[in-house]
Amino acid sequence: NAGVTQTPKFQVLKTGQSMTLQCAQDMNHEYMSWYRQDPGMGLRLIHYSVGAGITDQGEVPNGYNVSRSTTEDFPLRLLSAAPSQTSVYFCASSYSEVLDYGYTFGSGTRLTVV
Amino acid sequence: GQNIDQPTEMTATEGAIVQINCTYQTSGFNGLFWYQQHAGEAPTFLSYNVLDGLEEKGRFSSFLSRSKGYSYLLLKELQMKDSASYLCAVLDSNYQLIWGAGTKLIIKP
Repeated sequence: NAGVTQTPKFQVLKTGQSMTLQCAQDMNHEYMSWYRQDPGMGLRLIHYSVGAGITDQGEVPNGYNVSRSTTEDFPLRLLSAAPSQTSVYFCASSYSEVLDYGYTFGSGTRLTVV
Repeated sequence: GQNIDQPTEMTATEGAIVQINCTYQTSGFNGLFWYQQHAGEAPTFLSYNVLDGLEEKGRFSSFLSRSKGYSYLLLKELQMKDSASYLCAVLDSNYQLIWGAGTKLIIKP
């Protein structure tokens, strides 16, 4: 049981480049989300999905796109990278949005935009 | 606005007890979570409180008072491996998690 798998673990991008952060879970979780974590701040929600084919914006969605074509996968796309997007990105999943069993987090992607 | 407050950093001694406080002001309440995050790693789930009172899980306990907008995480018999950041998060009325910035706990021998 792999849980939540995120790739890559580290990435350096040049300003203006695009890339996709991958996230896959094998727990049949309906609810998936992307967060960014910056020093001195709480985790901030970028986008989330309550099931295949359904996505919605979180607190800080600008500059990011998501899609959810299957229950297992929830990729995050950076359209045109900016230095302000330098951060650690976490994908998380749960059985439902009620989260009574908590989130399972992926190991994170440390992104640097130069 | 919505707000979660917790101390930035705390220091404690191995074998001792430490209490990490969390106060919150959110639009609605559907539960409070505590997560542990070691440096460079992902957060891991510790506890979930939705009713007032104390929940005990081994060396870790979590308390909630909804009327006071207050929770604490109590860690007993501290071990060096407990050195980590502890994140408090509240599920609001829209089932969105609001996160505190975390408390960095330093354990000294």
